[in-house]
Amino acid sequence: AQSVTQPDIHITVSEGASLELRCNYSYGATPYLFWYVQSPGQGLQLLLKYFSGDTLVQGIKGFEAEFKRSQSSFNLRKPSVHWSDAAEYFCAVGKYNFNKFYFGSGTKLNVKP
Amino acid sequence: SQTIHQWPATLVQPVGSPLSLECTVEGTSNPNLYWYRQAAGRGLQLLFYSVGIGQISSEVPQNLSASRPQDRQFILSSKKLLLSDSGFYLCAWFQTNYGYTFGSGTRLTVV
Repeated sequence: AQSVTQPDIHITVSEGASLELRCNYSYGATPYLFWYVQSPGQGLQLLLKYFSGDTLVQGIKGFEAEFKRSQSSFNLRKPSVHWSDAAEYFCAVGKYNFNKFYFGSGTKLNVKP
Repeated sequence: SQTIHQWPATLVQPVGSPLSLECTVEGTSNPNLYWYRQAAGRGLQLLFYSVGIGQISSEVPQNLSASRPQDRQFILSSKKLLLSDSGFYLCAWFQTNYGYTFGSGTRLTVV
């Protein structure tokens, strides 16, 4: 069965520190992979996506993610976190022609001043 | 331009009352549309998706239903709300080579 795991429910980092949010998936084929960010009470905004090609993808707001097929992972990284990055982050996997996508349970990021 | 609209933003409904949440998209035709629910402190649960008018696929058996009466309209309904239907409901539209675009969500509180 397909699944997405975000093992960290909450993460707190200091402003200016580096960040890595983990995402592991279980899927029968190479999936489409996404990271979304959600501010409180808002919808989800796409940060970045991987469909094929270069396994290191760049997104908005200085975020990047690396697809590692051997580890079934798609971890999100940012070299220097800003206070405005405090939000909840969701990893999602799916395959378009199956019309089903699966979201992780989310990681809440707190940023200390 | 391509946009997705979802309303209302917030809703407080008594147990046993009906529900109708609406989602519309602009700037595209024959979109793939989705309803997700996000319970407090939990991730997103796919409720329904639709690949065309009148075509609805249900992911989770429950107290809700969905309809696609027009190409760019997707409606989430219930005949009688339960307390457990409370949550944050998100409509989304999937575009090939882009991914999901989400609406701004509806906060439903059943009292």
